[in-house]
Amino acid sequence: EAQVTQNPRYLITVTGKKLTVTCSQNMNHEYMSWYRQDPGLGLRQIYYSMNVEVTDKGDVPEGYKVSRKEKRNFPLILESPSPNQTSLYFCASTPSGKGYGYTFGSGTRLTVV
Amino acid sequence: SQQGEEDPQALSIQEGENATMNCSYKTSINNLQWYRQNSGRGLVHLILIRSNEREKHSGRLRVTLDTSKKSSSLLITASRAADTASYFCATAGLTGGGNKLTFGTGTQLKVEL
Repeated sequence: EAQVTQNPRYLITVTGKKLTVTCSQNMNHEYMSWYRQDPGLGLRQIYYSMNVEVTDKGDVPEGYKVSRKEKRNFPLILESPSPNQTSLYFCASTPSGKGYGYTFGSGTRLTVV
Repeated sequence: SQQGEEDPQALSIQEGENATMNCSYKTSINNLQWYRQNSGRGLVHLILIRSNEREKHSGRLRVTLDTSKKSSSLLITASRAADTASYFCATAGLTGGGNKLTFGTGTQLKVEL
């Protein structure tokens, strides 16, 4: 089944403790992206990657890092999480080029206390 | 930054009625897409309409696009309780290969029996 898999589904952590949210897709998509969703603000792009070793900032990149060492994986790293990073996070992928919809993961609900 | 703004923010209808949601955006686009999200789950791609198209159908969904007014509408005909969800429009800009999607804040649709 074509899918984007995120882990973990839920995560509660403490301020300053480094964490990684994994994302993997099995569709050979070139483009991958991370979004955060907050009430009243919709989805905002954190980082994206157009292919292996090619990543760039989205609209709200502060406090996050990403890497794209393999085509299928695009982990999101929070080096020193803070409470304002409490949010619902989504990974998504799509083929490169125009005119394709995204496939989204099921989301990771992160709480930073 | 948000590109799309959906209207209304919330909509409640009876099963069997039609539901119409509107989306306005600010800058020129390559395409516009609609997604559905069930209560905190991942977004599901519904339909994509390109900037040179005016109307598109998919099952019970009808999407229109008016690039002169920078607006789109999503019509769900003969709604069902299972259509209860949040609906988001998302625009793909003209740069970056057309992959980056900018989402609106969504319309919450409730379909009552």
